[in-house]
This record gives sequence, structure tokens and C-alpha cells, in this order.
Amino acid sequence: DAGVIQSPRHEVTEMGQEVTLRCKPISGHDYLFWYRQTMMRGLELLIYFNNNVPIDDSGMPEDRFSAKMPNASFSTLKIQPSEPRDSAVYFCASTEPDRVGEQFFGPGTRLTVL
Amino acid sequence: GDSVTQMEGPVTLSEEAFLTINCTYTATGYPSLFWYVQYPGEGLQLLLKATKADDKGSNKGFEATYRKETTSFHLEKGSVQVSDSAVYFCALSDRGFNKFYFGSGTKLNVKP
Repeated sequence: DAGVIQSPRHEVTEMGQEVTLRCKPISGHDYLFWYRQTMMRGLELLIYFNNNVPIDDSGMPEDRFSAKMPNASFSTLKIQPSEPRDSAVYFCASTEPDRVGEQFFGPGTRLTVL
Repeated sequence: GDSVTQMEGPVTLSEEAFLTINCTYTATGYPSLFWYVQYPGEGLQLLLKATKADDKGSNKGFEATYRKETTSFHLEKGSVQVSDSAVYFCALSDRGFNKFYFGSGTKLNVKP
């Protein structure tokens, strides 16, 4: 298996632009997580899905952030409009139903908002 | 509520030194405990786990024992290498996966 795939790996955009981050989980994993990592705030859980359904989005910082999982093999995290304080590394992770603490992380997307 | 507390870093050691990174937790019930490692420029990887009291997780020379009486899960390695330089995260999950928490991470620097 190729592991969790994220794209793009790097994204540089200007303030006010829409940003879409993409994630393909490991096949057969029913849970999918989106995290944000910054020096100041560390690793933050933004949202997670179970069987394509959002379960907990309490970590989503504000309405500018939205996430979808239209099918078991694809998820997006969208920021609209983007702001410089959104600059961070965004990770996607997935796991199996009975092993939810054992998450497999993607390589991350480094987002820079100018 | 449930939480995980790690010692602050960075921790700087010389090669072949003994490593301890402290982790304590607060939880209702009987959580599973984990250590993850993040190498520079990469995502987190599961390093080891323990699912019940007195269990010892081990991998790549690292060990951690689930201590219910002290609510701790300290990470240890007898002889660190430069290649162990990374950020280490302690984490817990409850059985039903209603909750999952990462600690704040501890950066380890190993000097040759």
C-alpha cells in the first residue's frame, strides 16, 4: 500500500485566495483525521470522519475552514478565504475501526499564505 | 477531561546516552497509550503502544511501560543515536474511541 497520500506537498498562496488540500487514506481505513501543526500551537486535531461522516469538527478554527469526504478514498480541507495565520503544515491521517489509536499519517502539506 | 502531559523540550543528549521522556496522563476508564515519532519534514509515525496496565511497548530499542498507579507512560532508550533526533509525542485513546489526545511533543537532539 502506498500509505496516506496528500497533495499538494507545498502550497504558497496570497491572502484572500481559496486553498484546497487533498487526502487519500489507506484503503480499508474507516477513520480519517485532519491535523494542523504550527510551532506556536503544536499539533491540533481539526476534524475527523468515520465512514465518510464528520464526527467531530470542534477543532475547526472558524467558518473559513471546511472539510468534506465524498467517498471512502478521498477527502478535502478547504480554506476560503485564506489568511497569513493559516500558514502551517496540514496532516491527514487514517486508521482502522478497531485500531483507532494507531494512526497512519501522510507526509503533510506545507501551506504558506502571504 | 482526559489529557496527556509531556516534559518540555528540547532534550539534548550525546550519542549513547540514556534517554527518558516523561509522559503522564489523566483519563477516566482504561485508555490505550501510544508514543509517536516525527522525523524532520515528515508526518508522525507510531513508535510503540500499550493497551492495558503493566504492558510494555517496545520498538527500535525504545520502551515504555503503562503504569496505572502513577498514570505514566515514560519513553526510554538505553543508548540514543544521532538518527533518533526527532520530536516524540505521547498520546492516548479511550476504548470506544470517543476521545484521542496528543501531547505537545518533546524535541530530542542527539549530538555525535
